[in-house]
Amino acid sequence: DTAVSQTPKYLVTQMGNDKSIKCEQNLGHDTMYWYKQDSKKFLKIMFSYNNKELIINETVPNRFSPKSPDKAHLNLHINSLELGDSAVYFCASSQDLRATGELFFGEGSRLTVL
Amino acid sequence: KQEVTQIPAALSVPEGENLVLNCSFTDSAIYNLQWFRQDPGKGLTSLLLIQSSQREQTSGRLNASLDKSSGRSTLYIAASQPGDSATYLCAVPMDSSYKLIFGSGTRLLVRP
Repeated sequence: DTAVSQTPKYLVTQMGNDKSIKCEQNLGHDTMYWYKQDSKKFLKIMFSYNNKELIINETVPNRFSPKSPDKAHLNLHINSLELGDSAVYFCASSQDLRATGELFFGEGSRLTVL
Repeated sequence: KQEVTQIPAALSVPEGENLVLNCSFTDSAIYNLQWFRQDPGKGLTSLLLIQSSQREQTSGRLNASLDKSSGRSTLYIAASQPGDSATYLCAVPMDSSYKLIFGSGTRLLVRP
């Protein structure tokens, strides 16, 4: 039973398109995140949500719009895709905002922009 | 600004060998340090979480130590197996929130 699940796992699309990645966690956690892993394998936080409220927005272009319909879901919508958006996007969750517990990751969504 | 560095970037060892992976961080005011494993094409799996008040944590063949004053953590893997082959990442929270700062990882290959 997957704790943090993302869909789709792979996404190939053309520049200029709009796409979404969905994330769901069944751990009962309050806090969810989006991380981006670039071609050099560096992982950087993009957003965090706590109980559907935006907490962290790491100077990500406003073409990226996270949406949290409830605390178990955090979706990522990307408008006007650019070549530089190609990366693996990871969803994660933690019990709450305090940095005292473990972070659980999904398996990632590999986005390729052509 | 917190920076996390992992050395070596890659490591290849024969099966059965004990090994140590290193992680260093520039700001010692951390809440905890977490070690993750990432398999190719997969997400990250949490291995060990060490709170700032702890000096080490153990899970099976893995032992992680934390020395806040020197800004260092090590992950010790005993009796390595080919199944341990993966990339190992360490991460620390930026502040009291869960904005994790990741190292660039150590890619481990255990040869049969």
